[in-house]
Amino acid sequence: AQSVAQPEDQVNVAEGNPLTVKCTYSVSGNPYLFWYVQYPNRGLQFLLKYITGDNLVKGSYGFEAEFNKSQTSFHLKKPSALVSDSALYFCAVRPRGYNKLIFGAGTRLAVHP
Amino acid sequence: GAVVSQHPSRVICKSGTSVKIECRSLDFQATTMFWYRQFPKKSLMLMATSNEGSKATYEQGVEKDKFLINHASLTLSTLTVTSAHPEDSSFYICSARDPGLAGNNEQFFGPGTRLTVL
Repeated sequence: AQSVAQPEDQVNVAEGNPLTVKCTYSVSGNPYLFWYVQYPNRGLQFLLKYITGDNLVKGSYGFEAEFNKSQTSFHLKKPSALVSDSALYFCAVRPRGYNKLIFGAGTRLAVHP
Repeated sequence: GAVVSQHPSRVICKSGTSVKIECRSLDFQATTMFWYRQFPKKSLMLMATSNEGSKATYEQGVEKDKFLINHASLTLSTLTVTSAHPEDSSFYICSARDPGLAGNNEQFFGPGTRLTVL
């Protein structure tokens, strides 16, 4: 079955430190990969996506993600975390030729002052 | 960027009543919209894919007669929760794809609707 795994329920980071939120997937072919962020009682906001090309993708608010085909991973990163980055982050995958997004379980990022 | 709105943002209703939630694409035409349900501190569960001018495609385990979806125009899809019960209380989120965007890869999400059934 096709799936997306976010192995960490929560990631805690001190403000100013780099952060990584992990995502791996089990999907056939070369899927489209996405990261979304959700603030409390809000919908999802798009951060970035990987379609093809350079493995390092830069997105909104200073976030970037690294695609690793051999490890089927798409980890979200930021060089210097802000307290305002605290939110729920979702990795999502859309197999090519399909309409649907497959979401990971979400990782709560807590950035401490 | 593409904007998707939802109305209402929050609704409280009595058990046994029906509630309609609207999802609108504000600056693009969406032939396909998606309805998700999110439980507290949980991921999004796709309920159905709404297709303009045709019947919605429901995911396994989602009751078609319970969650009625109508995609009457290229900018509006509605989700009606019929005979709502407390277990239907949840955060409902819609999304839409903009077929006019190159690559057509991205879904744009609405802000969500918090449904509370008493």
